[in-house]
Amino acid sequence: SAVISQKPSRDICQRGTSLTIQCQVDSQVTMMFWYRQQPGQSLTLIATANQGSEATYESGFVIDKFPISRPNLTFSTLTVSNMSPEDSSIYLCSGGTGIYEQYFGPGTRLTVT
Amino acid sequence: GQQVMQIPQYQHVQEGEDFTTYCNSSTTLSNIQWYKQRPGGHPVFLIQLVKSGEVKKQKRLTFQFGEAKKNSSLHITATQTTDVGTYFCAGGNNFGNEKLTFGTGTRLTIIP
Repeated sequence: SAVISQKPSRDICQRGTSLTIQCQVDSQVTMMFWYRQQPGQSLTLIATANQGSEATYESGFVIDKFPISRPNLTFSTLTVSNMSPEDSSIYLCSGGTGIYEQYFGPGTRLTVT
Repeated sequence: GQQVMQIPQYQHVQEGEDFTTYCNSSTTLSNIQWYKQRPGGHPVFLIQLVKSGEVKKQKRLTFQFGEAKKNSSLHITATQTTDVGTYFCAGGNNFGNEKLTFGTGTRLTIIP
C-alpha cells in the first residue's frame, strides 16, 4: 500500500488568486491522479499526472486553469488558477501501485470567497 | 463518455439489517473496484473484481461482478455502526492506463 499526504489540508482564498496543492507519496507509484469532489458528491477526475511530461486532462478541465506537475514518481502539484467561488471544492490526489487500485490523500478543502 | 450510476443514492437501515448497493456502467468494464468513504474522510480501497461473474467476500461484505461486466453489487450482512459511510464503485476501462470512473455513490446511515 501507499501513504499519501497533501498540503495544505484546507485554505480560504480570494477570487482571482491561485493556490498550489502538494501531494507526496511515501513510495513510488506508477500513476498519480487529481480529483475534485463537491461535498456529498462523487469524485470527478481532473487529470492524470505524468512523470516528467504534461498531464493528461479530462474533458472540461484545461491546463491553463489546472496546471499540474510531477517531477518524480513520488510528488505532484496541482495549481488552481484565477480562482472563482465555483472552484470551491475538495481536491484529492491519488496514487496507483498495484494493477489498478488507488490510494487517496486526505484531501484539500478549498473555499474561494 | 462512460457513466457509472449507483442505486440507491441514500439508504437508512436499522443496525443489524442487511444493505445492498447496485452499480451500473454504460459501457463494458475491464474491472470494478469498490471504495468506502467515511464522513469527513477520503475514499479507501475495499476490493477489485476482474472476472465476469466473480464473487468475493470480506467478512460481512459480498461483492459481485456481473456476467456482462457492466454491473456490480455490494451486499453487507447484519450492518454495524462502523459501516456508516458512502460506498463508491469505480470502473476501469483498461485503455492502457489505470484511470477510474467513479460511480455516483450510495450513502449508508445506520439507525442504532
